[in-house]
Amino acid sequence: LAKTTQPISMDSYEGQEVNITCSHNNIATNDYITWYQQFPSQGPRFIIQGYKTKVTNEVASLFIPADRKSSTLSLPRVSLSDTAVYYCLVLPYGGAGNNRKLIWGLGTSLAVNP
Amino acid sequence: EAEVAQSPRYKITEKSQAVAFWCDPISGHATLYWYRQILGQGPELLVQFQDESVVDDSQLPKDRFSAERLKGVDSTLKIQPAELGDSAMYLCASSLPRTVSTDTQYFGPGTRLTVL
Repeated sequence: LAKTTQPISMDSYEGQEVNITCSHNNIATNDYITWYQQFPSQGPRFIIQGYKTKVTNEVASLFIPADRKSSTLSLPRVSLSDTAVYYCLVLPYGGAGNNRKLIWGLGTSLAVNP
Repeated sequence: EAEVAQSPRYKITEKSQAVAFWCDPISGHATLYWYRQILGQGPELLVQFQDESVVDDSQLPKDRFSAERLKGVDSTLKIQPAELGDSAMYLCASSLPRTVSTDTQYFGPGTRLTVL
């Protein structure tokens, strides 16, 4: 599985846009990029997934440059309730398995301040 | 919206005792995962099932942990005997069949295990 690198923590204020970047230098051709959000004492929750360029949903946007070696999760106008840990994962179409290990890193702990 | 169910939500036990966790995935999800998450760390995959078959259990401490998914639907994770270091959140997740998805996983609420 492609190794990912994210900042350990970030701070922001309510109403600001937050961008969290993930590096995945050895991403493979059939790999997708997926972001999850996790609140304390809860299971992770799927936020967004993409393969290239830009993907937007009601929660976030995901920007992926042409070389796909990194991706940026963008959270518009964050609120206190966006305080959580955000994980970036790179997974092949068809899922992990067949010697592709599913590895979650430490994620990025985002703190949104009033 | 369909959800992954887990029980119990909390479990306190003494070391050397046996504990069991149950998970019911979203209907139609062939892939089921058990994770362990220690406070401050990311989830660690313990075992992955495709239907009733184990796809990956390389990180499962097999001397004390066991997992089964006999009919390819719900699953049980067991620890016997429990050790102090097993205190963690145990998460279950499910996803659509691997052949038609990118493994977007849907997680249950987890079971918080405390071993005294």
